[in-house]
Amino acid sequence: DAKTTQPNSMESNEEEPVHLPCNHSTISGTDYIHWYRQLPSQGPEYVIHGLTSNVNNRMASLAIAEDRKSSTLILHRATLRDAAVYYCILRDIANAGKSTFGDGTTLTVKP
Amino acid sequence: DGGITQSPKYLFRKEGQNVTLSCEQNLNHDAMYWYRQDPGQGLRLIYYSQIVNDFQKGDIAEGYSVSREKKESFPLTVTSAQKNPTAFYLCASTGLNGFNEQFFGPGTRLTVL
Repeated sequence: DAKTTQPNSMESNEEEPVHLPCNHSTISGTDYIHWYRQLPSQGPEYVIHGLTSNVNNRMASLAIAEDRKSSTLILHRATLRDAAVYYCILRDIANAGKSTFGDGTTLTVKP
Repeated sequence: DGGITQSPKYLFRKEGQNVTLSCEQNLNHDAMYWYRQDPGQGLRLIYYSQIVNDFQKGDIAEGYSVSREKKESFPLTVTSAQKNPTAFYLCASTGLNGFNEQFFGPGTRLTVL
């Protein structure tokens, strides 16, 4: 399974944009890039996903490199409620959406 | 409301006992998954199922067993063969098109005494 690499932790100030990077150099053609976030003792929550083109939704934006070997999750204005562990994963649509979670990035938002 | 339910939220068992964790979804999803999470770490895939009566091993299936007799239900049994079963267990589901988002349950925290 293709793996992803993320920084262990990042900090941001409230109301400022946050760019969370993810490297996935072994991505295959059938892998979709997904982002989830998790609060302590809760199940992960879906944030956004994409294949090749940049994506926007009400929560965030996803910027995907042209070679698809990296991506960036963009939170346009961080709030205290955005503090969580963010996971970048690859879901293989050729294999029942099987995915591998790394250790994620712990985002701290300072007021 | 559609969603995934897991029960119980907390579970305590003695060492050497088998225990079954419940996962039910009313989202009409075809695929279901079980993950294990240890403190400070990401999720690791235990088992997954694409359709009823079919399931595949994930990355850490040893010491676990599952069944998929109904589309809505995907129970996980932690057997006595699992060497270190204390962990947070998460169930998820998604439509058969694997690119769709996964919906996760609230999790079951299993502690083996």
